[in-house]
Amino acid sequence: GQQVMQIPQYQHVQEGEDFTTYCNSSTTLSNIQWYKQRPGGHPVFLIQLVKSGEVKKQKRLTFQFGEAKKNSSLHITATQTTDVGTYFCAGLSSGSARQLTFGSGTQLTVLP
Amino acid sequence: NAGVTQTPKFRVLKTGQSMTLLCAQDMNHEYMYWYRQDPGMGLRLIHYSVGEGTTAKGEVPDGYNVSRLKKQNFLLGLESAAPSQTSVYFCASGAFRGYGNQPQHFGDGTRLSIL
Repeated sequence: GQQVMQIPQYQHVQEGEDFTTYCNSSTTLSNIQWYKQRPGGHPVFLIQLVKSGEVKKQKRLTFQFGEAKKNSSLHITATQTTDVGTYFCAGLSSGSARQLTFGSGTQLTVLP
Repeated sequence: NAGVTQTPKFRVLKTGQSMTLLCAQDMNHEYMYWYRQDPGMGLRLIHYSVGEGTTAKGEVPDGYNVSRLKKQNFLLGLESAAPSQTSVYFCASGAFRGYGNQPQHFGDGTRLSIL
């Protein structure tokens, strides 16, 4: 079945440093979504990428979808303590048997 | 506007007991989902529904049943709880744009412990 690997599992950064999490799929994806979950909270939708090579920005967050539509990344510039949480990618497989698979998440800690 | 509401928020069960988790959404969404979240494993889809009266199996359906008698409600049942079902359960809903093609709106979760 489809596998979506996400690295790193944990990341500690000093406030102001940059952060990147990577998502890799074993199969070609139709689209990829990113979610953020604060400690003790629920996942909150951030963005969806659909096109090969697509890049989208939300303030300090930059999302990329690979040319082959098998990988994606989320980059945060100049982290703030409000960025703390776990970031999940979720990839939708292409083809007739659609399956949405979540990565295991990257837990970000921002040290003040 | 409450969004997605899950009840209960916490529950402790003994092995073999049964229970039903309730999910209600007030956004008139067609799609509804039940996930379980375990440490280090992300979210895994249990069952989902593409509309009132329809349900389908997800990645980890064994030991669970679901029903969607009303568009706004999606019930998750455990007939005979097992310790392996200790987890945090999230319900989510999405508008009609196709499975996996829409943002999912999540409830606050139900923390379930099976002793």
